[in-house]
Formats: sequence, C-alpha cells, structure tokens
Amino acid sequence: AQSVTQLGSHVSVSEGALVLLRCNYSSSVPPYLFWYVQYPNQGLQLLLKYTTGATLVKGINGIEAEFKKSETSFHLTKPSAHMSDAAEYFCAVSFFGGATNKLIFGTGTLLAVQP
Amino acid sequence: GAGVSQSPRYKVAKRGQDVALRCDPISGHVSLFWYQQALGQGPEFLTYFQNEAQLDKSGLPSDRFFAERPEGSVSTLKIQRTQQEDSAVYLCASSVVHEKLFFGSGTQLSVL
Repeated sequence: AQSVTQLGSHVSVSEGALVLLRCNYSSSVPPYLFWYVQYPNQGLQLLLKYTTGATLVKGINGIEAEFKKSETSFHLTKPSAHMSDAAEYFCAVSFFGGATNKLIFGTGTLLAVQP
Repeated sequence: GAGVSQSPRYKVAKRGQDVALRCDPISGHVSLFWYQQALGQGPEFLTYFQNEAQLDKSGLPSDRFFAERPEGSVSTLKIQRTQQEDSAVYLCASSVVHEKLFFGSGTQLSVL
C-alpha cells in the first residue's frame, strides 16, 4: 500500500539556519509528490510539486525539494529560515492513472523558528 | 469568491445528531475534494467530484457519510448519527482538473 512518512513531527531551527524537512514515500508505481504548508486557521497551500522531468523542484523564497527515486525521498530544504516560515508542513503523494489531486498525506512536521 | 469557502467554521454536535457541512469552491473549478483531518494527523481523502459526478467515494469511512454536488458547484458533506470518532476538521478543496488544488480553511466538527 502507498504511504508517506515524515520524519520528525516537530523541528526547531534558529532564524537564518538551514531548514530540512524529511519525506519518504512507499509506492510500487511512480508518484507525483507535493509539499503543502498550513498556517494556523488557514487552508493548506501548495509549495512545490514534482510530476515528471527535472528532479530538483524550486519554489519561492529559496525553497527546494529533490525527488530521489533510489531513496524514495522528496526532502524539502530552505537555506535560511525566517520567522514567517513557522507553520506545519505536509508532504503528499498521488499516482499516475488516478485523479492527480487524490492525495495521500504524511502526518506533518511542525516547524518552529527561534529568534 | 476569491477562495474556497466552508461553513460553518465550527460545529458542535451531540452524539447521534446529523450534521451538514457546506463547501463553496472557486468559481469554474471542475474538481472538488473532501478530506478529513483528525487531530495530529495529515488530511485523509474522503471523496472526489468532477462537476456533479461523484467519481470516487472510496475514502468515506462508513455509510453514515454522504456527499453531494447536485449542480456541479456547491457541495455538502452530510454525516448521519454522528459519533465521537467523527470529530475532526473537514477540508474541502477545488481545482481545475489536474491543476493546483486550493483548500478552504475547513470546518472543525466536535462531537460530544
């Protein structure tokens, strides 16, 4: 069965430090991969997605994620944390042949940024 | 409207009561999804509409859950005879087919 694992339910970094949020998936078929962010009392917002092509996906404000098939991973990085990055981050997958927005989510990682 | 709108924002129900949760998607969005997010968990897929057709309801946890989208725009998720385990945030999302998904802020359901 397909699943998503996010290592670390809570991650704390200092402002200006590197952010690394880990995501691994389990699937027998090629996935689409997503990162969403959720701020308090707001809906989830799409940060990045990988479908096909270049395995390094870049978003706004220096956010990146790299699809590594051999490691079944899609880790998110940001070189320098800002206080406004504090939120909950969800990794998700979907699969070819189905509705691409029928997503399987991980349990989320709550990112805290210390001043 | 500018985004996906869900109402009510909060709903408290007594066990055994029926509830109806409403979703107004972004105008023109063909696809509409419902997800359930339990406390401390990621969202879980419930059901999917393309226009008024319910193409996938494999995630509905029991026959007490029912969703409809009769005119291909507004959708209602109905839960009959609510149980404590139904307590969660119910998220609605819409998109143009295969494009970016836009989520509403959700309805937080508490069953006492």
